[in-house]
Amino acid sequence: DTEVTQTPKHLVMGMTNKKSLKCEQHMGHRAMYWYKQKAKKPPELMFVYSYEKLSINESVPSRFSPECPNSSLLNLHLHALQPEDSALYLCASSQGQGYSGANVLTFGAGSRLTVL
Amino acid sequence: GDSVTQMEGPVTLSEEAFLTINCTYTATGYPSLFWYVQYPGEGLQLLLKATKADDKGSNKGFEATYRKETTSFHLEKGSVQVSDSAVYFCALRRKDYTGANSKLTFGKGITLSVRP
Repeated sequence: DTEVTQTPKHLVMGMTNKKSLKCEQHMGHRAMYWYKQKAKKPPELMFVYSYEKLSINESVPSRFSPECPNSSLLNLHLHALQPEDSALYLCASSQGQGYSGANVLTFGAGSRLTVL
Repeated sequence: GDSVTQMEGPVTLSEEAFLTINCTYTATGYPSLFWYVQYPGEGLQLLLKATKADDKGSNKGFEATYRKETTSFHLEKGSVQVSDSAVYFCALRRKDYTGANSKLTFGKGITLSVRP
């Protein structure tokens, strides 16, 4: 299995809702990532988990809360979002930090979020 | 800091035309270089990579050669198809002095449209 699976593909939520995005990989990768991508822009890094511990938080507002329950799963909990948070949210995974190779990121298809 | 510069777009070509998309980079040491492709409504897919100087990455008829002397990684294809219409991102990732991987640094991306 060489895929990163993201659910849901589309999500519409109000500013007072609480929702979650989910990501799963079974490649044995030990690093997992959340990216945010606005239209016609490159992805922007939000969070990195390495060996199930949060290693990088790119000063993301607290209304986004990541969680890594185990080495295969990554969640992004959403609460009190703003319309400007509407974007494509991409999950990715790669070999762990100690990997000596190119450590390529494998991306999922993304979850398209619309905040009303 | 690390940076990736891509040529300005969009690019529109006729089917079977030759494609070149320029990419240059700034980074310390010897980064790994990547081309990612994003088809409409989808996530990012790794197109090809190169991990050291003079390496040539290739996939699906696309090629790019890691040129350290010109700090470039230009993407080429001899004959484009309508199905190649997508956004193309050049990116780099390097290891720091501890051997840990840096963040993936993306260029701005370029939209390619291929006419029948």
